[in-house]
Amino acid sequence: DIQMTQSASSVSASVGDRVTITCRASQGISSLLAWYQQKPGKAPKLLIYTASSLQSGVPSRFSGSASGTDFTLTISSLQPEDFATYYCQQANSFPLTFGPGTKVDIK
Amino acid sequence: EVQLLESGGGLVQPGGSLRLSCAASGFTFSSFAMSWVRQAPGKGLEWVSGISGNGAGTYYADSVKGRFTISRDNSKNTLDLQMNSLRAEDTAVYYCARRGPETYWYFDVWGRGTLVTVSS
Repeated sequence: DIQMTQSASSVSASVGDRVTITCRASQGISSLLAWYQQKPGKAPKLLIYTASSLQSGVPSRFSGSASGTDFTLTISSLQPEDFATYYCQQANSFPLTFGPGTKVDIK
Repeated sequence: EVQLLESGGGLVQPGGSLRLSCAASGFTFSSFAMSWVRQAPGKGLEWVSGISGNGAGTYYADSVKGRFTISRDNSKNTLDLQMNSLRAEDTAVYYCARRGPETYWYFDVWGRGTLVTVSS
């Protein structure tokens, strides 16, 4: 199985900050990685797919990139509604696996 | 409006069975693969099972293989998950999710979830 790790379980930031969240796959997954945002008591929301494609309706302050087995989600200017938990997910092979999540909270 | 609505969750004893359903609307259901994803209380997301658009292909996490069965009825726009031999560790919110329009298994539409509690 492909293991997904996220470098931080939580990140403290302020409104307007640039925030970077990283995810690493245990083996190559091409660019078959998605990012989701989840708020408490809500379903996850797709932000990014195939590592860098922005899902329709998602603000352009969200972006994704890839370098080998390392993947990055960047929020260019953090907004109040962005405080949430972010998960990566590999879509390369079954079983599909998620990272453990990174919670972005208020500094 | 594209929508997924889960039902069937509840309290069940260890070793018991439960059947979850997901009603889809607002899109051509048969054209999309579907999945179940769960989240234990206070924990992260765990993919459980997936099924192709025509139902011919089914996929399972090792943790549920042999105990859970995914199925769909394209005439009724419904996705089901039959859960047998339930364990305490199956306690979670179960989400129905639609695979995106490309052939890659990421999920662009999610239901609100239904809570399954396995406890005596």
